[in-house]
Amino acid sequence: GAGVSQSPSNKVTEKGKDVELRCDPISGHTALYWYRQSLGQGLEFLIYFQGNSAPDKSGLPSDRFSAERTGGSVSTLTIQRTQQEDSAVYLCASSLGWTRYGDTQYFGPGTRLTVL
Amino acid sequence: GENVEQHPSTLSVQEGDSAVIKCTYSDSASNYFPWYKQELGKGPQLIIDIRSNVGEKKDQRIAVTLNKTAKHFSLHITETQPEDSAVYFCAQTGANNLFFGTGTRLTVIP
Repeated sequence: GAGVSQSPSNKVTEKGKDVELRCDPISGHTALYWYRQSLGQGLEFLIYFQGNSAPDKSGLPSDRFSAERTGGSVSTLTIQRTQQEDSAVYLCASSLGWTRYGDTQYFGPGTRLTVL
Repeated sequence: GENVEQHPSTLSVQEGDSAVIKCTYSDSASNYFPWYKQELGKGPQLIIDIRSNVGEKKDQRIAVTLNKTAKHFSLHITETQPEDSAVYFCAQTGANNLFFGTGTRLTVIP
């Protein structure tokens, strides 16, 4: 079946501009996650959505970052007034249920964001 | 908070040899420990996982061991092949997400 998809695959923007990154999770998965991976680094948790519950935003690095999930499916991560330090690969993952109970997170291919 | 230390950061082995990657975690409440493989330009892919009620799990050439008392778990790859070359990440569960180690770049030399 179809996996997690993300668009665009690459995004180059100028400092100060806003960007939107999209994630389409696996159909039927209730949980959706966003992570950030800086060059040569591990994955940094950003935000988590589970069903209709309020999202866990504890990983968002600043108020320039926000995300929404419409209809319990597609999610958009928005970065306002981008800075050069925002350059990274942004990864989306989804899982059938809760990771804390051992449900596997399946990752998309990521969006590589470059802020000039 | 949760912290996962992963060693080594880079590892080179000859084809056919074994590779071992070790991780130490801090949150004793964590009960699920996956390992992911990430190839260049791709997202991480789950290769094996282990839950806290078992000490070892094996899947063909890959095995994972877990020592909950010492709070460490390890990935073992036997009979390595060039296609095993990638970056490997360990992880532990947090409240709502995974906390990842910093990764190990494995190079298998033909």
